[in-house]
Amino acid sequence: KAGVTQTPRYLIKTRGQQVTLSCSPISGHRSVSWYQQTPGQGLQFLFEYFSETQRNKGNFPGRFSGRQFSNSRSEMNVSTLELGDSALYLCASSLAAGFYEQYFGPGTRLTVT
Amino acid sequence: AQSVTQLGSHVSVSEGALVLLRCNYSSSVPPYLFWYVQYPNQGLQLLLKYTSAATLVKGINGFEAEFKKSETSFHLTKPSAHMSDAAEYFCAVSLGTASKLTFGTGTRLQVTL
Repeated sequence: KAGVTQTPRYLIKTRGQQVTLSCSPISGHRSVSWYQQTPGQGLQFLFEYFSETQRNKGNFPGRFSGRQFSNSRSEMNVSTLELGDSALYLCASSLAAGFYEQYFGPGTRLTVT
Repeated sequence: AQSVTQLGSHVSVSEGALVLLRCNYSSSVPPYLFWYVQYPNQGLQLLLKYTSAATLVKGINGFEAEFKKSETSFHLTKPSAHMSDAAEYFCAVSLGTASKLTFGTGTRLQVTL
């Protein structure tokens, strides 16, 4: 069974631009969560989607948004990019919401210049 | 609110020696606890999880962890380190019906000859 896939793997953007990252969960998984990883702040929860609905949201500004499609694929969008948004963005999928194991993708490395 | 503390940002062991990575949690309700490993330029891989069944949990690659409620700890151990174990290890906690994972700051394991 294929794992979680994330595209693109690497991205370079300029301050003020916006970016969209994509995540395809493991087949049959209906919950997708997003995390940001930086050297300074570590791993931080962004949001979780289940059945196209946002269930949880972390403490990030409104510039960070996401959505989930009917096939469980998810996208996250960051508008008006700032230098501090440079990070590894990780997507994780699980069978359903709640106490299920989360399986992580390889991440998208975003660099903002 | 829940939190996780990982003692020691860097741990160095000799090949064949015992690996002990420390994790303490803070939670107002019974937690679910996880250990993940991250190799360079990769996502997170689940090593093992505690979900209120057996307190001694066995994971992949010879790792195990013991849940000790009285000490609020969930330390990760491996009897004999291998060079391939060199990576960063993260302890994480989730609560209630939320899938949101709260991560510790990570411990980088170095294995020397």
